[in-house]
Order: sequence, then structure tokens, then C-alpha cells
Amino acid sequence: EVVMTQSPATLSVSPGERAILSCRASQSVNSNLAWYQQKPGQAPRLLIYGASTRSTGIPARFSGSGSGTEFTLAISSLQSEDFAVYFCHQYNEGHTFGQGTKLDI
Amino acid sequence: EVQLVESGGGLVKPGGSLRLSCEASGFTFSSYVMTWVRQAPGKGLEWVSSISSSTNYIYYADSVKGRFTISRDNAKNSLYLRMNSLRAEDTAMYSCARVRHGYYFIDIWGQGTMVTVSS
Repeated sequence: EVVMTQSPATLSVSPGERAILSCRASQSVNSNLAWYQQKPGQAPRLLIYGASTRSTGIPARFSGSGSGTEFTLAISSLQSEDFAVYFCHQYNEGHTFGQGTKLDI
Repeated sequence: EVQLVESGGGLVKPGGSLRLSCEASGFTFSSYVMTWVRQAPGKGLEWVSSISSSTNYIYYADSVKGRFTISRDNAKNSLYLRMNSLRAEDTAMYSCARVRHGYYFIDIWGQGTMVTVSS
């Protein structure tokens, strides 16, 4: 099983700042990685797939990068609505998920 | 609006059974691979099972194989998960999800239905 490890578990930032979230795979997943945003009581929302392709309607301040085993989600100029939990998902071999990073004010 | 709405969760005793349902709307359900994913309290997400659009291909996580059965009714735009021989470790929020057509990632998630296995 491919184990996905996200860091940090919690990231405290201020509105207007830039946030960098990391996701590491225990073996190569090529570019078969997605990022999701989840707010309390809501279903997750797809942000990024193919490691770097923004999903329809996702603002340009969200960007994904990486391939193989190391991936990054960057959120520039944080807005109040961006404070949520973010998790990664590899779909190269089955489906496994990271534990999530909580973006906190 | 594309939407997935789960139902059927609840409290069940160990060894009991439950059937979860997921009603889809806003898209051509019969064209998509569908998946169940769960999240135990305080734990990460775990893929449970997937079913192809025409039910030709069905896959299960080892942790539920032989106990859970995934199915779908394309005429009713519905996905199901029959859960037998439930264990305490099956306690989780169960969400249905759609796999992007032609790809393998999940693009739409439901909000989930909670299953609690306890005596």
C-alpha cells in the first residue's frame, strides 16, 4: 500500500500570507496525485489533480507541484475562506490518502 | 447541481448488518465509476470499494472483503453498500464519491453518513 504523509499537521498563518503544504508518498505515484479542501460539515472539494492541474472554478492562488514522491500545494495570499483542512490523494496504485493538514489562523 | 447524498447510517451491534445508499443527481450516473470511502473518528480516509459504470469491475479493500458488497442501480441513480458482520473498527463516516470519467481520481464527494458499531 502506498502511504501518504502530509506535513505539517497544522499550519498557522495569517490572511494575506502564503501557505505551503507538503505531501510525501512512500513510493512513486508519478503525477497521479490530487488535493482536496474540506470545511467542517461539508464534502471535500477537488482543488488539484494530476499534481498540478487546477479543477474547474478553483482560483489561481491555489497551485500544485511535484511528481514521484514529493508534492506541494501552495496557496498564495490566503483568504478567510481558505482556512480548512487539506488532504492529498494518490490514485496511481489503488487509492490512499494523506492524514490532512489543518490551515489555521 | 452535481450532488451525492448518502443515507442509511446508524448504530448497529457488532455482527450486525447495515445497507448504505447514495443518491446521485446532476450528472449521468450510469457513465461513472463510483466509490465508497470511509473515515474513522480521528483517523485518515480509507478507500473501501469501487464499482465500474456497468458493474463489470468491482474492487474491495482487504479490510472489508467478504463482508461488504457494493452495488448500483443505474435506473435509480443510486449506489449501495451492504455491510455484514460489522465490527467496532468499521465505525466511521462513510462517503460515496464519483471518479472522474477517464481518470482515477475522485472529483465529487458526498457529505457522508455515520456508521457506529457498538454494543
